[in-house]
Order: sequence, then C-alpha cells, then structure tokens
Amino acid sequence: IAGITQAPTSQILAAGRRMTLRCTQDMRHNAMYWYRQDLGLGLRLIHYSNTAGTTGKGEVPDGYSVSRANTDDFPLTLASAVPSQTSVYFCASSDGAGGFNEQFFGPGTRLTVL
Amino acid sequence: GQNIDQPTEMTATEGAIVQINCTYQTSGFNGLFWYQQHAGEAPTFLSYNVLDGLEEKGRFSSFLSRSKGYSYLLLKELQMKDSASYLCAYVGNDYKLSFGAGTTVTVRA
Repeated sequence: IAGITQAPTSQILAAGRRMTLRCTQDMRHNAMYWYRQDLGLGLRLIHYSNTAGTTGKGEVPDGYSVSRANTDDFPLTLASAVPSQTSVYFCASSDGAGGFNEQFFGPGTRLTVL
Repeated sequence: GQNIDQPTEMTATEGAIVQINCTYQTSGFNGLFWYQQHAGEAPTFLSYNVLDGLEEKGRFSSFLSRSKGYSYLLLKELQMKDSASYLCAYVGNDYKLSFGAGTTVTVRA
C-alpha cells in the first residue's frame, strides 16, 4: 500500500508557465488537502476537499486551483506561475473532514519558479 | 500560523528531556495536534488533544490547557533520531488545521 503519493518530486518552472502537481491516495480517505510550506511560516492551507466532487478555499488560495473528480486524486494547478509560488507543496488526506482526524501527508513537491 | 507561537529552535543532549511550548489565540477551538517532521520529509502525526490534561504515548507526552491557550510536547529520553521539527497545529472554527512555524530540535551526543 503506497498511502499518498505526489508527483513530481521536484520541478523548476519558468514564470508564466502552467503547472499541475499530482496527488493520489489509496486509503479511500474522504478529505484531501494541499499545503505549502515556507521557511518561517509553517504549513499553510491552499485548498481542500471534504469529499469527491467538492472543493474549498484555504488560507492562501490565490493563483491556485484544484479539482476532485474522484476519491483518490486531488491535483493542484498553477495557471500562470510566479516566483512567490516557489515553495514545498504537501498533499494530505484524512478519513474524515471534521479536522479531528489525523492527516497523512505525501512526500512533497519542491517547486522553484524562476 | 499567525495565531500560534512556538520557539524556533531548541537544543538538548541525548538522554535528556525537552519541553516544546505552544501558545495559540483563536475564537474557536476544536483540538490541538502535534506533528513531527524530519528534514526533507513529510510531517507525521504525534498526538491530538481536545480535553485538558496530559496524554502520554511512550517517550512523548502532550499537554493541553484550553483556558490558557497553551500546549506543550514533552520528549523524554531523547535519542538522536528525535532531531526534527515539531509542528503545533490547532483546529479552529472552520475545522481546518492552522499550523505554527515549527520548533527545530537538535539532539547532541
């Protein structure tokens, strides 16, 4: 069982390019999340999905979009990347959406926008 | 998390005890988590407190005081592998996690 996987592991991207970060979980968790982690700021929630077919905005959603077509996949898209989106991106999932449940994190994607 | 404070760094000796404090300010509170994150890796769950008091789990314990907006993580019998960042996170009114910036613990021989 893989748990939760992310791709790519790392990416260098030119500003203005479109990029999709992939996230897949095989635990049949209802809720999924995207965070970015920056030095000194900790993890910040970008978007979330409580269940397949629904999504919501987190603390820092601008410049990002998500979709949740099925239970397993939760891709994050940067429509036109900017240097301030340079960060480490973590996808996570949890069995329930109430916030009380342990979140399982993927290995992360290190993104550099030049 | 701008409403969460925890020390940036702590250093301790192998075999010792270290206490990582976390204070938070929120109008709604639905629980507090601690996660461990080794350098270059994903965060992993350590503990969850929703009621006041101490929760013990092996060498790690977590304490919560809701009235004081305060929690701590206690690491006993420190081992070299405990060198990591420790993330405090509360569940607010929106039922989403708000994370602190993390405390980097360095264990020295």
